[in-house]
Amino acid sequence: DAEITQSPRHKITETGRQVTLACHQTWNHNNMFWYRQDLGHGLRLIHYSYGVHDTNKGEVSDGYSVSRSNTEDLPLTLESAASSQTSVYFCASSESGGPNIQYFGAGTRLSVL
Amino acid sequence: SQQGEEDPQALSIQEGENATMNCSYKTSINNLQWYRQNSGRGLVHLILIRSNEREKHSGRLRVTLDTSKKSSSLLITASRAADTASYFCATVLNAGNNRKLIWGLGTSLAVNP
Repeated sequence: DAEITQSPRHKITETGRQVTLACHQTWNHNNMFWYRQDLGHGLRLIHYSYGVHDTNKGEVSDGYSVSRSNTEDLPLTLESAASSQTSVYFCASSESGGPNIQYFGAGTRLSVL
Repeated sequence: SQQGEEDPQALSIQEGENATMNCSYKTSINNLQWYRQNSGRGLVHLILIRSNEREKHSGRLRVTLDTSKKSSSLLITASRAADTASYFCATVLNAGNNRKLIWGLGTSLAVNP
């Protein structure tokens, strides 16, 4: 069965370190998204991609970057982790040209100390 | 930016009762979707209703859409303890960037056995 996998599931890091969260999908979807979820804020879009070599900033992109070198993967990098980036991160994908139903990974809980 | 607003923010009911949660949005939409999130998990798509539809059913779920009021409701009938989760509405806009979902803040549902 197709799926979307995030790793690691849990990560503790220190302020200032670079961190990369992985997202891998086997749906063969062109669209991929990264969100963060914080209490009281719901899901906020960080970055998204509509295909290989395409990346776009979402509403909370400062301090984050993504790159899309193939269809399956969209890694999210925190350039210099800050305590404000402690959150739960979700990756999602959707099919191009469809009704935009998104399929989510299980999430990565990141703590920046 | 958040387009959808769910109410209530939290709902607690007894098993067997019906649960109703509402979602309001601000701009013209192509479709509206409802997702469920169990504690510590990713979001799962439940049901989609298009802008030209007024009501849709899926098992114990019933969704209505009133485009004149820019609102939707999700009804879960004969609730079970396993329905305990957060429920989110998300909209796909009718114009502009229609490959993103615009998320509400969610309703937390507790079904007590």
